[in-house]
Amino acid sequence: GAVVSQHPSRVICKSGTSVKIECRSLDFQATTMFWYRQFPKKSLMLMATSNEGSKATYEQGVEKDKFLINHASLTLSTLTVTSAHPEDSSFYICSAKLRDRENYGYTFGSGTRLTVV
Amino acid sequence: GQNIDQPTEMTATEGAIVQINCTYQTSGFNGLFWYQQHAGEAPTFLSYNVLDGLEEKGRFSSFLSRSKGYSYLLLKELQMKDSASYLCAVRAPPGRGSTLGRLYFGRGTQLTVWP
Repeated sequence: GAVVSQHPSRVICKSGTSVKIECRSLDFQATTMFWYRQFPKKSLMLMATSNEGSKATYEQGVEKDKFLINHASLTLSTLTVTSAHPEDSSFYICSAKLRDRENYGYTFGSGTRLTVV
Repeated sequence: GQNIDQPTEMTATEGAIVQINCTYQTSGFNGLFWYQQHAGEAPTFLSYNVLDGLEEKGRFSSFLSRSKGYSYLLLKELQMKDSASYLCAVRAPPGRGSTLGRLYFGRGTQLTVWP
């Protein structure tokens, strides 16, 4: 089946540094990638939607200069957390739209646990 | 705004049946998904409903009533490995930023299965 490979699975970084998270679609073309963050025992909150070759659409309240999303190819989308702060510590998950799969629609990456110290 | 409500926690014993309810109030509807998520892992797809009625898939069934804004996930013959969080998600119609509508997630129901 369609697989999205997300790396790294865990990362610890110092405050003020930047962290890049990658999501690769392994056997299909991901025209649309959704980026979520999830706090413990909370829902998945959509941060932004990126379409290949165009600028990402950010949800209200999400700083686009802080969470940089690049979707330069049909198989790779990246999320860069810039100038990270401890409050950015969270679980980040990407999800790719499956073309022509109306009923299923999406496949998720395995998630990245970010800890900012 | 969008509101998707589901119980926070549920418990059940092995072999039993459990029903997890989800109610939603959203501006637009284009299908409802149920996902299973184990701690620290990505959600995995369980079921999809877009028309009213019951969809059965093995030990899992999902029901939808669009007029009531209501869905449930039914898990039969519970196993220990079914202990996980179950997420209800409503898909919005295609719109801004996506040709296939975005998902709105409930906060998940943590199910614990006891031996």
